[in-house]
Amino acid sequence: GAGVSQTPSNKVTEKGKYVELRCDPISGHTALYWYRQSLGQGPEFLIYFQGTGAADDSGLPNDRFFAVRPEGSVSTLKIQRTERGDSAVYLCASSFLAGPDTQYFGPGTRLTVL
Amino acid sequence: EDKVVQSPLSLVVHEGDTVTLNCSYEVTNFRSLLWYKQEKKAPTFLFMLTSSGIEKKSGRLSSILDKKELFSILNITATQTGDSAIYLCAVAHPPRLTFGKGTLLTVNP
Repeated sequence: GAGVSQTPSNKVTEKGKYVELRCDPISGHTALYWYRQSLGQGPEFLIYFQGTGAADDSGLPNDRFFAVRPEGSVSTLKIQRTERGDSAVYLCASSFLAGPDTQYFGPGTRLTVL
Repeated sequence: EDKVVQSPLSLVVHEGDTVTLNCSYEVTNFRSLLWYKQEKKAPTFLFMLTSSGIEKKSGRLSSILDKKELFSILNITATQTGDSAIYLCAVAHPPRLTFGKGTLLTVNP
């Protein structure tokens, strides 16, 4: 079946602009995760959804970052007033259940803030 | 603070060589350790390890976990150019994964 998909694959924006990044998880997966990967680093956890609710948003760096998953499937990561330091690859993952179950990753969105 | 350390950070080998990648960790509430292969952007799942001393194997790749010494190794035998990638180790303390920085493996023909 289809894997996790993310759009756009690349996004270039200017400092101060607003961006939305979309994630479509594997069908039937109830848990969804967002990670951010900077150059030369491993992915860093941002937020986790179980169903429609954000069960753990402790990884969001500040209040410019927000994510939603209104129908328990597709999720959107929203970044307000982008800064150059937000430039990174934003990865989405999903799993059938939360817990030690394997997380399957999408191809990511490379965000570049000029 | 949870910590996952991978070594070496980069490695260059010739086709046919055997490589061993290392991952050590310090985490609270450890549940499992996962290995991923990352080419371009998407990390691809390789193994999940939960019990000490039990080797997981898939083709030329194998991995084992030592929960007493808090480390895991990933072995790749008879390496091929297609094995060139970043190999990421992550520890699960649900719901999040904490990743190391990865090992960049380059396999030259």
